[in-house]
Amino acid sequence: KNEVEQSPQNLTAQEGEFITINCSYSVGISALHWLQQHPGGGIVSLFMLSSGKKKHGRLIATINIQEKHSSLHITASHPRDSAVYICAATNSGYALNFGKGTSLLVTP
Amino acid sequence: NAGVTQTPKFRILKIGQSMTLQCTQDMNHNYMYWYRQDPGMGLKLIYYSVGAGITDKGEVPNGYNVSRSTTEDFPLRLELAAPSQTSVYFCASGLQGQGNYGYTFGSGTRLTVV
Repeated sequence: KNEVEQSPQNLTAQEGEFITINCSYSVGISALHWLQQHPGGGIVSLFMLSSGKKKHGRLIATINIQEKHSSLHITASHPRDSAVYICAATNSGYALNFGKGTSLLVTP
Repeated sequence: NAGVTQTPKFRILKIGQSMTLQCTQDMNHNYMYWYRQDPGMGLKLIYYSVGAGITDKGEVPNGYNVSRSTTEDFPLRLELAAPSQTSVYFCASGLQGQGNYGYTFGSGTRLTVV
C-alpha cells in the first residue's frame, strides 16, 4: 500500500500570499493527483501528473519522481481558495491512495 | 454532461436497516469507485469496477456490496447498517490514460446510522 503523507495539515494565509502544500509517497506511482474539496462540498480533480509540472490559472503542481514528492502551489491566494486540498497516488490506475488533506484558510 | 450523479445526498438509517446508494455517470468511463470519507481521515476505497460485470473489493469492503450491470451505473448496497458506517460516501469514475484531470467525483452522500 502506498502511504501518502501531506504537510502541513492546516494552513492559514493572508490574501495575496504564495502557498505551498507538500505531498510525499512511499512507493513508485503511475500518477499523482491533486484534488480540492470545499466545506460540505464535493471533490474536484485539479491535476493529474506523472512527471514535471502542470499549471492551471494560479495553481501549479510539480512532481519529483526520484524524491517521491509533489507540491501544489497557489500564487496570489484569494479567500475563495479556502478549501481542503488532497493529494492522492495511484500505481495501478485502479484506485487512489489518499492523503488526509491540508485545510487551507485564506483571510482577506 | 451531468458527470457523476449520486443519490441521495443525505440519509439517516436506523441500525439494521438496508439501503442502496445510487451512482450514475454519463461519460462512458470504464473505471468506477466507491470511497468513504471519515473525519480526519483520507478517503478509503470500498469497492471498484474496471468495467461492466467486473467488481472487486477495496480496502474497507465489509458490510457493503456492489454490482456493475452497465457501464453507467455502480450502486452501493449497505446491508444491516451499523453506526460504524456513518460517513460521507463518494462515487468516482475515470478513464485511465486520458485527460489532464483524471477522476470525476460525485457530490457525495452523507449517511448517518443511528
